[in-house]
Amino acid sequence: KAGVTQTPRYLIKTRGQQVTLSCSPISGHRSVSWYQQTPGQGLQFLFEYFSETQRNKGNFPGRFSGRQFSNSRSEMNVSTLELGDSALYLCASSFGGTSTDTQYFGPGTRLTVL
Amino acid sequence: AQSVTQLDSQVPVFEEAPVELRCNYSSSVSVYLFWYVQYPNQGLQLLLKYLSGSTLVESINGFEAEFNKSQTSFHLRKPSVHISDTAEYFCALGAGSYQLTFGKGTKLSVIP
Repeated sequence: KAGVTQTPRYLIKTRGQQVTLSCSPISGHRSVSWYQQTPGQGLQFLFEYFSETQRNKGNFPGRFSGRQFSNSRSEMNVSTLELGDSALYLCASSFGGTSTDTQYFGPGTRLTVL
Repeated sequence: AQSVTQLDSQVPVFEEAPVELRCNYSSSVSVYLFWYVQYPNQGLQLLLKYLSGSTLVESINGFEAEFNKSQTSFHLRKPSVHISDTAEYFCALGAGSYQLTFGKGTKLSVIP
């Protein structure tokens, strides 16, 4: 089975721009979660989608948004980029997204904001 | 609210020596606990997990962790480390909210 894929792997943007990151989950997985990883804050939960519905959202400003498509692929968007948005963005998929499900992570997209 | 505390940000250890990476958690509901490993420039990989039953869980590459409810801990141990174990290790908690709560990570450096 193919793993979780994320595109692009690397991105460089400037302040004020917007960016869209993509995640393709493992086949058959219906839950997709997004996390932001930074050296200072560690791994922080952004949001989780299941069957195109956002079920949970972390404590991030409204500039961070996401969506999930009918084939379970997910995108996240960050508008009006700030320097502090530089991070590794990780996507994880699981079968049902419950507390007992194993989440499988992609390699991440490294976003650099200049 | 849930939280995970990894007590050591960095742990250097000589090759073939034992290691323990400490993890404590706080939660008001039933918890499920995970250890993930992250190698440089890669995503996270599941090492082992505790859902229920035996409090001692093992991974295929020699790591083990023990769930201790009274001490709210889930420490990770390996009796003899290898160079290839050099990585960052994250303890995570799942507690009924469709998300994992992660600790800040422990960087394990194995010294030849």
